[in-house]
Amino acid sequence: DVKVTQSSRYLVKRTGEKVFLECVQDMDHENMFWYRQDPGLGLRLIYFSYDVKMKEKGDIPEGYSVSREKKERFSLILESASTNQTSMYLCASSFPGKGLFYGYTFGSGTRLTVV
Amino acid sequence: DAKTTQPNSMESNEEEPVHLPCNHSTISGTDYIHWYRQLPSQGPEYVIHGLTSNVNNRMASLAIAEDRKSSTLILHRATLRDAAVYYCIPYSGNTPLVFGKGTRLSVIA
Repeated sequence: DVKVTQSSRYLVKRTGEKVFLECVQDMDHENMFWYRQDPGLGLRLIYFSYDVKMKEKGDIPEGYSVSREKKERFSLILESASTNQTSMYLCASSFPGKGLFYGYTFGSGTRLTVV
Repeated sequence: DAKTTQPNSMESNEEEPVHLPCNHSTISGTDYIHWYRQLPSQGPEYVIHGLTSNVNNRMASLAIAEDRKSSTLILHRATLRDAAVYYCIPYSGNTPLVFGKGTRLSVIA
């Protein structure tokens, strides 16, 4: 079964900590995405990448950065975690361009709590 | 991005068909209509997509209006495992998927 694996299901971090959320896919997808999901706000795009070492800002990039050193791995970094970054984080991947025929594959999510 | 309108919630009895509507009156000619669903405590999963013709797969059927301004996702026999939030998304592949609020489907045993 094809997979997008997020390294942690639940994570608790302290305010001010640097936090790394890891995502690995085994489908040889070029495109990878990070979303966050909050009650009442739905899924919002943070960052995405269409190739190794490439990144693009999504709708809410403030307070986040990303790293894509290898095709299969896309990391989301919270430089200095704050309580308003408490959320469910979802990683996804897809084939490039008109990846219309395959859809996105999502991971199960990481529920991050910042205290 | 094309704007979509879906009911906030719907309810179905188990083993009955479910028709989930979506209005997308501002859809562009190059947008496909994608449907995803999100089961409780899971990431979204792809369900089906289409451009103009009706589509069937093992999960569902997609009926697209002739003017493409609306579509309907059809679950032929709802099961308890189909309880989820269903998202209708016009998508051209040129920019990332944008999720709306979707329809929360409840299935009653």
